[in-house]
Amino acid sequence: GDSVTQMEGPVTLSEEAFLTINCTYTATGYPSLFWYVQYPGEGLQLLLKATKADDKGSNKGFEATYRKETTSFHLEKGSVQVSDSAVYFCALSDPLDTGRRALTFGSGTRLQVQP
Amino acid sequence: DGGITQSPKYLFRKEGQNVTLSCEQNLNHDAMYWYRQDPGQGLRLIYYSQIVNDFQKGDIAEGYSVSREKKESFPLTVTSAQKNPTAFYLCASSMPPAGRDQFFGPGTRLTVL
Repeated sequence: GDSVTQMEGPVTLSEEAFLTINCTYTATGYPSLFWYVQYPGEGLQLLLKATKADDKGSNKGFEATYRKETTSFHLEKGSVQVSDSAVYFCALSDPLDTGRRALTFGSGTRLQVQP
Repeated sequence: DGGITQSPKYLFRKEGQNVTLSCEQNLNHDAMYWYRQDPGQGLRLIYYSQIVNDFQKGDIAEGYSVSREKKESFPLTVTSAQKNPTAFYLCASSMPPAGRDQFFGPGTRLTVL
């Protein structure tokens, strides 16, 4: 079945540091890939997405590129802020899953940014 | 503003009681989902509904029940048969086909006393 693997956290960085959160996936088809962010006590918000190979999703300074050859979708940001502290989830949606059409999530990576 | 609302935000239940979590959306989405989140884990699918009056079990449906009588509403009942119900519950909606964005509500934190 489909699966998503994320690097374990927490990831602790100083403000203005470079961020990378690794995400790799396994899927039977050619999935769409997503990054969601969850702030404490809240639901998930879509951060960015990519729907086909070599697409780059970007939003609020975050970027991720859909790499089919390495089945990866790593999240990057050039300069993190304290306000970026949250849990980040990588997820996929398999177009071959015409029944559930649900997302498959990774376990989440907590980011802590220190001033 | 369009979105998904969940209520209540916090819910406490005694063992042996059934409780119902509310989920309402005004996005005109056909599909709705319930996920469960446990600390340090990703989200796991409980139930989903692609259309009114139809719903299907997800990966961890035991001890839960749902209904979908209206397009806007997808309530989840946590029954006394659910062995470990303390968790954060998230409702989501989307417009098919697969690959479309899922929008999430703010969640309900259920604690069994």
